[in-house]
Amino acid sequence: DTEVTQTPKHLVMGMTNKKSLKCEQHMGHRAMYWYKQKAKKPPELMFVYSYEKLSINESVPSRFSPECPNSSLLNLHLHALQPEDSALYLCASSLDSAGGRYEQYFGPGTRLTVT
Amino acid sequence: GENVEQHPSTLSVQEGDSAVIKCTYSDSASNYFPWYKQELGKRPQLIIDIRSNVGEKKDQRIAVTLNKTAKHFSLHITETQPEDSAVYFCAASEGNAGNMLTFGGGTRLMVKP
Repeated sequence: DTEVTQTPKHLVMGMTNKKSLKCEQHMGHRAMYWYKQKAKKPPELMFVYSYEKLSINESVPSRFSPECPNSSLLNLHLHALQPEDSALYLCASSLDSAGGRYEQYFGPGTRLTVT
Repeated sequence: GENVEQHPSTLSVQEGDSAVIKCTYSDSASNYFPWYKQELGKRPQLIIDIRSNVGEKKDQRIAVTLNKTAKHFSLHITETQPEDSAVYFCAASEGNAGNMLTFGGGTRLMVKP
């Protein structure tokens, strides 16, 4: 398996809802990432997990809560989101994160709309 | 932190022509420079990358050059085809920052048949 998969593809949620995004890879990668991408903009890094531990949090609001249950899975729990949080949420993985020189492969993303 | 500037923001070429997209970065510690292609509604796809110990890398019709002294790198696409039409993002990663990618603003490439 040489792909990063994400579910769901689309998600519409109200501001009081709790939902989760899921990301999975079976390439033996030990680093996983969450990015947020607004329309016509580049991806913006949110979180980095290295060997199942959170290594980087780019000052993301606490209404976004990441979780890495094992080396193949990455979740993003969403609670009390705002309409401006509507975006494409991309997951990525790489073999490692040390040294800053590992190829990152992206999943197809979850298109999130907050109403 | 790292800052990556990308130019032009849009580029229109005739099929068969070459296309060049340029990026500059600010952090001299950056050592890895990937390029991603993103078609409408699709994931960013890694198309080529270069590391700081190399000046040029080629893969069929695409090539990337890196000038560490000037802190800029470029993507060259030759013999463009309509399927090359997409948004292209450059990025830079600093070695001690956990493989964090800082992206340029993107270039929308349109190849006219």
